[in-house]
Amino acid sequence: SQQGEEDPQALSIQEGENATMNCSYKTSINNLQWYRQNSGRGLVHLILIRSNEREKHSGRLRVTLDTSKKSSSLLITASRAADTASYFCATDSDSNYQLIWGAGTKLIIKP
Amino acid sequence: GAGVSQSPRYKVAKRGQDVALRCDPISGHVSLFWYQQALGQGPEFLTYFQNEAQLDKSGLPSDRFFAERPEGSVSTLKIQRTQQEDSAVYLCASSLASAPGPNEQFFGPGTRLTVL
Repeated sequence: SQQGEEDPQALSIQEGENATMNCSYKTSINNLQWYRQNSGRGLVHLILIRSNEREKHSGRLRVTLDTSKKSSSLLITASRAADTASYFCATDSDSNYQLIWGAGTKLIIKP
Repeated sequence: GAGVSQSPRYKVAKRGQDVALRCDPISGHVSLFWYQQALGQGPEFLTYFQNEAQLDKSGLPSDRFFAERPEGSVSTLKIQRTQQEDSAVYLCASSLASAPGPNEQFFGPGTRLTVL
């Protein structure tokens, strides 16, 4: 079963705009990760945020985590065509190694 | 190699046929994971190895699924008597760390299995 739910399921924006995707989860976590998947490169790790962190940046990516609401958001600024992909959040489980995944947000960047 | 590799990339099997999917993790990575990903869904955990030990196989959907990592590096996922519902992309991932602790998983390109 999947723990996370991404929102929206699909998002289509113009190149240069910002894209925001959200992830909600059900149980307490130690950390949350975001991954990107496209047909050319498979699943690629983007960023990890620990449960005691509220915000993290990596290049054009900004991730926030609100443990009280059991939610996270991924912001991609100044989007590019190459950002077209599906984005997944994954949370660790009690076992501390098993990742539990959402269904993903499909992002399309229009040139 | 530079990353996780999987073979074959595509496999078409007739219902009832046995298949074997191979994963070559990043050299030195302790942890190895198998996931099943249906179309339009996120990956679903199948099984986890720490070196050669299979520590968790709770995600394997039936006893037709079997995984091994005999020397703690290459892993094989075997599906016996394939059924149409086994059609999916099978992803392998490896991680440098062993539990506990957060781990970034490095994924292979996957094997797309189609059962006719």
